[in-house]
Amino acid sequence: DAGVIQSPRHEVTEMGQEVTLRCKPISGHDYLFWYRQTMMRGLELLIYFNNNVPIDDSGMPEDRFSAKMPNASFSTLKIQPSEPRDSAVYFCASTSTSHSRHEQFFGPGTRLTVL
Amino acid sequence: GQQLNQSPQSMFIQEGEDVSMNCTSSSIFNTWLWYKQEPGEGPVLLIALYKAGELTSNGRLTAQFGITRKDSFLNISASIPSDVGIYFCAGQPYNTDKLIFGTGTRLQVFP
Repeated sequence: DAGVIQSPRHEVTEMGQEVTLRCKPISGHDYLFWYRQTMMRGLELLIYFNNNVPIDDSGMPEDRFSAKMPNASFSTLKIQPSEPRDSAVYFCASTSTSHSRHEQFFGPGTRLTVL
Repeated sequence: GQQLNQSPQSMFIQEGEDVSMNCTSSSIFNTWLWYKQEPGEGPVLLIALYKAGELTSNGRLTAQFGITRKDSFLNISASIPSDVGIYFCAGQPYNTDKLIFGTGTRLQVFP
């Protein structure tokens, strides 16, 4: 079975540019989570969806960040405009109510560098 | 955001030694999980705990859900070089689908 798929794996961009990160959850999973990992702040939850609906976006740092889940197999996290302090590894994770909704499965992450 | 207190921050041990790490929280949790992260990869689930007092093993790994529901520990017996990585605890508060992650324990194993 394919795990959580994220693209791109690495992104280098200049300050002010728009960045779009993509995630394909495990088929059949109805929860999708976006996390950010930095040395200073560790793993932080940004937003999560259930059945494609955003449930809690209290972790989204500011209006420059937005996330969508147009269907059960795809989600995007967009940063516009990007800033150097957004440099981090962004993870997507998914789980399902039927499996055990607390056992989240993580993708390989997208390493974002904003110059 | 809220984080769990995880200790130690790092460990440097000899192959064959046993390892112990723990997490504490000021709040009670419904579920405790332990993840391992290797360089360039996402965290991988090792063990999930659902009941206070529960002791669960996965090969050389053993984890326990503290009786107070505010702590958990992970033991690794007879460590091997491939145990190298960062180990994270994660707690799930009641009435939420979120996980709160610990600060991580970086494990280095020398042959």
